[in-house]
Amino acid sequence: GQNIDQPTEMTATEGAIVQINCTYQTSGFNGLFWYQQHAGEAPTFLSYNVLDGLEEKGRFSSFLSRSKGYSYLLLKELQMKDSASYLCAVMDSNYQLIWGAGTKLIIKP
Amino acid sequence: GAVVSQHPSRVICKSGTSVKIECRSLDFQATTMFWYRQFPKQSLMLMATSNEGSKATYEQGVEKDKFLINHASLTLSTLTVTSAHPEDSSFYICSAREGQGTYEQYFGPGTRLTVT
Repeated sequence: GQNIDQPTEMTATEGAIVQINCTYQTSGFNGLFWYQQHAGEAPTFLSYNVLDGLEEKGRFSSFLSRSKGYSYLLLKELQMKDSASYLCAVMDSNYQLIWGAGTKLIIKP
Repeated sequence: GAVVSQHPSRVICKSGTSVKIECRSLDFQATTMFWYRQFPKQSLMLMATSNEGSKATYEQGVEKDKFLINHASLTLSTLTVTSAHPEDSSFYICSAREGQGTYEQYFGPGTRLTVT
């Protein structure tokens, strides 16, 4: 079956760095997405990786290793507004998104 | 950037009634739209995929006669929850994809449905 695993919850301090991991097993692979979702709101796009390596976009970076079925989202210089759930999603061979359950990130001052 | 709107944002209805939710792509043509539902503290669950002008493809376990989806134009898709029951109360989110060769989905703000 298809499976996306990510930690349920993480806590970090304002100004620090946090890494949210995601491992996946899917039928085919057409890219991995990270989305941010604040409570009661729809997800917003953060990043898309289809090749191995690190993609940097401002304070956020995303890494992919296809051979290991592994990705992480790195958030630097954490701000209170970064408190949200972070969803990992993999596009399978049918171009459908398979979603992880999300990681709730709590930022403490 | 690409914007997707949903209406209404919140709706409360009585058990047994039907509710229609609209999803519009405001500044692009969406060849494919997706409907998701999300229960508290759970992941997004894909309900169906719709392509403009054709019947929606429903995921396993989703009743097509209960959740009616119409993708009448390249900018509008509707989800109608028929004969709603309290267990249908959920957060319904639509997303839209612009066309072939594009993988990013743009999400609407979601609709909170409460069935009393």
